Amino acid sequence: GAGVSQSPSNKVTEKGKDVELRCDPISGHTALYWYRQSLGQGLEFLIYFQGNSAPDKSGLPSDRFSAERTGGSVSTLTIQRTQQEDSAVYLCASSQDRFSRREETQYFGPGTRLLVL
Amino acid sequence: SQELEQSPQSLIVQEGKNLTINCTSSKTLYGLYWYKQKYGEGLIFLMMLQKGGEEKSHEKITAKLDEKKQQSSLHITASQPSHAGIYLCGAGGNQGGSEKLVFGKGTKLTVNP
Repeated sequence: GAGVSQSPSNKVTEKGKDVELRCDPISGHTALYWYRQSLGQGLEFLIYFQGNSAPDKSGLPSDRFSAERTGGSVSTLTIQRTQQEDSAVYLCASSQDRFSRREETQYFGPGTRLLVL
Repeated sequence: SQELEQSPQSLIVQEGKNLTINCTSSKTLYGLYWYKQKYGEGLIFLMMLQKGGEEKSHEKITAKLDEKKQQSSLHITASQPSHAGIYLCGAGGNQGGSEKLVFGKGTKLTVNP
């Protein structure tokens, strides 16, 4: 596709359940990012993948959160034992190689709205 | 860690009016991004500013970067209902655009016809 896609677009789950959120970046983009957007907190960085390098996990709020990126393309964000405070919009973004000399930006997907009951 | 403060938090204007949104950083700005978000949609990239004094325009939206003040402003001329949404500024690290971004909390713009 032309842009970043995410699935599902909406997810309602019960407290304590695990959820998986998927991100398909723009083809050819080597960098992939996950952010979380919640009321009162704005947009927060979660994790960043760049090529084959070890991911930057510095934004993950707890060990219940994990993410992987298979084959340098699709990424999955997993939240285990979900809590009500995990309710938010989870946004994925991708960008071209960071060492490119061209102007770069991050292109965002539409997000997954997660509601934990 | 770097923080971005946006002002105002919300803005209501009449169609045709001009408006300005500001974004102030707590640290040196190496790259400043402006995005627009509509409810139910992701972030739409508007502009990126990298150099002090840089100014870019896209249609009726102009953004400037004041490196000394660690501030950027977004100016909309002759606003239209289509400009309504949440405007977010984001700042990257000093290694270029492909870094994790820190965002302001956004400015919600309403344009009344």
